[in-house]
Amino acid sequence: AQSVTQLGSHVSVSEGALVLLRCNYSSSVPPYLFWYVQYPNQGLQLLLKYTTGATLVKGINGFEAEFKKSETSFHLTKPSAHMSDAAEYFCAVSDPQAGTALIFGKGTTLSVSS
Amino acid sequence: GAGVSQSPRYKVAKRGQDVALRCDPISGHVSLFWYQQALGQGPEFLTYFQNEAQLDKSGLPSDRFFAERPEGSVSTLKIQRTQQEDSAVYLCASSWRVGQGGEIDTQYFGPGTRLTVL
Repeated sequence: AQSVTQLGSHVSVSEGALVLLRCNYSSSVPPYLFWYVQYPNQGLQLLLKYTTGATLVKGINGFEAEFKKSETSFHLTKPSAHMSDAAEYFCAVSDPQAGTALIFGKGTTLSVSS
Repeated sequence: GAGVSQSPRYKVAKRGQDVALRCDPISGHVSLFWYQQALGQGPEFLTYFQNEAQLDKSGLPSDRFFAERPEGSVSTLKIQRTQQEDSAVYLCASSWRVGQGGEIDTQYFGPGTRLTVL
C-alpha cells in the first residue's frame, strides 16, 4: 500500500529565507507525486506534480520539487519565502496503474514571519 | 471559468440526523472524487465517479455513507444517522479524466463542506 510521510507538522521561516518542506513516500511502483497548498477556508490548489520525465519540477508561485527515487523523496522548496506563502501544504501520491485516488500526507503548516 | 462548488459550506447536525452534501464539478469534467478531511489530517479518499458510474467506493467508512451522481455532473454525498466521528470537512474534486496505464489529470478541489455533528 502507498503512504506519504511529511516530516514536521509545522515549519517556521523568516521572510526571504529558504523554504524546505519534506515529503517521503512508500510505493511498490513508481508513483505520481503532487504538492497541494490549502489556504484557510479554501480548497486545495495544485502547486506542482511529477508524473514522468524531468525529476526537477517547477510549479506556481516560485515553488519547485525534486523527485529522488533512491531516497523516495519529493521535497518542496522555494528560495525566498514571502508572507503570502503562509498556508498548509500537502504532499500526495497516486498509483499510475490504479489511477484514481490521491493519498495525502498529514500536511505541514508553513508560517512566515517578517 | 467557474471552479468546483460545494454546498452548504457549513452544516451542523444533531447526532442521528441525515445530511446531504452537494458538489458541482467543473463543467465537462468526467471524473469526480469525494474526500474526507478530519481536523489536523490530510484528506482521505472516499469514493470516485467516472461520469455517472461509481467505480470505486472503497474509502466509504460505513454503509451509512452513500454517494450518487445520477446524470454524470452534480454529485451528492449522503450520510445517514450521523455520528460525532463523522465531523470533518468533506472535499469534492473533479478532473477531465483518469486514463488507464499512466495518464492522470489534475484534480481541482472545491472549498469543502464543514460538517459538525453535535
